[in-house]
Amino acid sequence: AQSVTQLGSHVSVSEGALVLLRCNYSSSVPPYLFWYVQYPNQGLQLLLKYTSAATLVKGINGFEAEFKKSETSFHLTKPSAHMSDAAEYFCAVSDPNTGNQFYFGTGTSLTVIP
Amino acid sequence: GAGVSQSPRYKVAKRGQDVALRCDPISGHVSLFWYQQALGQGPEFLTYFQNEAQLDKSGLPSDRFFAERPEGSVSTLKIQRTQQEDSAVYLCASSSDRGREQYFGPGTRLTVT
Repeated sequence: AQSVTQLGSHVSVSEGALVLLRCNYSSSVPPYLFWYVQYPNQGLQLLLKYTSAATLVKGINGFEAEFKKSETSFHLTKPSAHMSDAAEYFCAVSDPNTGNQFYFGTGTSLTVIP
Repeated sequence: GAGVSQSPRYKVAKRGQDVALRCDPISGHVSLFWYQQALGQGPEFLTYFQNEAQLDKSGLPSDRFFAERPEGSVSTLKIQRTQQEDSAVYLCASSSDRGREQYFGPGTRLTVT
């Protein structure tokens, strides 16, 4: 079974500061991991994905995440926050062998302070 | 190319009414998923299709929920005798293959009064 824990339901950063959103997963098999962003009244947009290749994954809009098996983590980072990064961020895990569903965390709301 | 589309975007139903929510996946995507997203929560899996076959419906909360994808393309999620607890955003996603990244539609916000 898979599950995701996102620590910190709300994160505030100053514009230009480092963004760090935490995601820890539980999986009985080597997982696939994903980060999605959701803007108000919109669907989820894929930021990046880990599918067992390179452990450091680069995504869109300057985001990246590192898969750390020993820590069962897949934290999302961005060196310099922009006002347009304010949104809800979701981490998700799936079993690559079945792929029937994604298991999502409860989300982290990112606020960027000008 | 066109993404996943859903209609209607907003639906208000009186308790006890039946509703039908439509999803048009990305052309050629064989896998289609429905999720329910309650306010302030992450999406929760409802059901999964591979082409026209419904391979997993373990997330459907009750027998009032029914989904179909008869021709392996467009899908409809039907909720019978809606209840207030059904109020949520219903998200549809499609994928080129199971396990791959899923592409989400904008969702249908259902409000049951």
